[in-house]
Amino acid sequence: SAVISQKPSRDICQRGTSLTIQCQVDSQVTMMFWYRQQPGQSLTLIATANQGSEATYESGFVIDKFPISRPNLTFSTLTVSNMSPEDSSIYLCSAYGTSDTGELFFGEGSRLTVL
Amino acid sequence: AQRVTQPEKLLSVFKGAPVELKCNYSYSGSPELFWYVQYSRQRLQLLLRHISRESIKGFTADLNKGETSFHLKKPFAQEEDSAMYYCALREDSWGKFQFGAGTQVVVTP
Repeated sequence: SAVISQKPSRDICQRGTSLTIQCQVDSQVTMMFWYRQQPGQSLTLIATANQGSEATYESGFVIDKFPISRPNLTFSTLTVSNMSPEDSSIYLCSAYGTSDTGELFFGEGSRLTVL
Repeated sequence: AQRVTQPEKLLSVFKGAPVELKCNYSYSGSPELFWYVQYSRQRLQLLLRHISRESIKGFTADLNKGETSFHLKKPFAQEEDSAMYYCALREDSWGKFQFGAGTQVVVTP
């Protein structure tokens, strides 16, 4: 299994600012992902965080808006840049464990409100 | 492109009644299907996967490739089953997941 910690758990931000969310896993994992969960909607994959290289972004998400870092196998950050109210959402970090059982582990999420 | 559809946003059932959450998918290959659950104030977690063919907390789900469905069922709902349920699909091992919109289940006494 993998225990994932995210911080901040929630924040209120001003329009135009940027916020970085940190994700720490308690074990070395191969695959890490960042999801967005908007109110009343499903989870949408933002990108796959690749260790030591640029993240792989899904359609509709770009590096300038959501820069991602993954310096090692246990840590990743997601920055939400130049925020607008439309970015208000829950951002979830997730990862597979050390073996592929098909189970994806999730952090508790970071709830961002942009005013 | 792969797609997962959960037609019901909300299911309200009485305790002891059967509950069925519908999930349909569109994918040309042989996907792996999963059900994830999120209880109040808890993180999202795996409930069951189709390849395991197991019953978890009384829930079962059968993959029907002909109907491209993976419905989740439980014969007797309990109050602790109240939660948000997501059907999910992935194309291959270590792959990314596609989640459905989710179904909120409310079990009333």
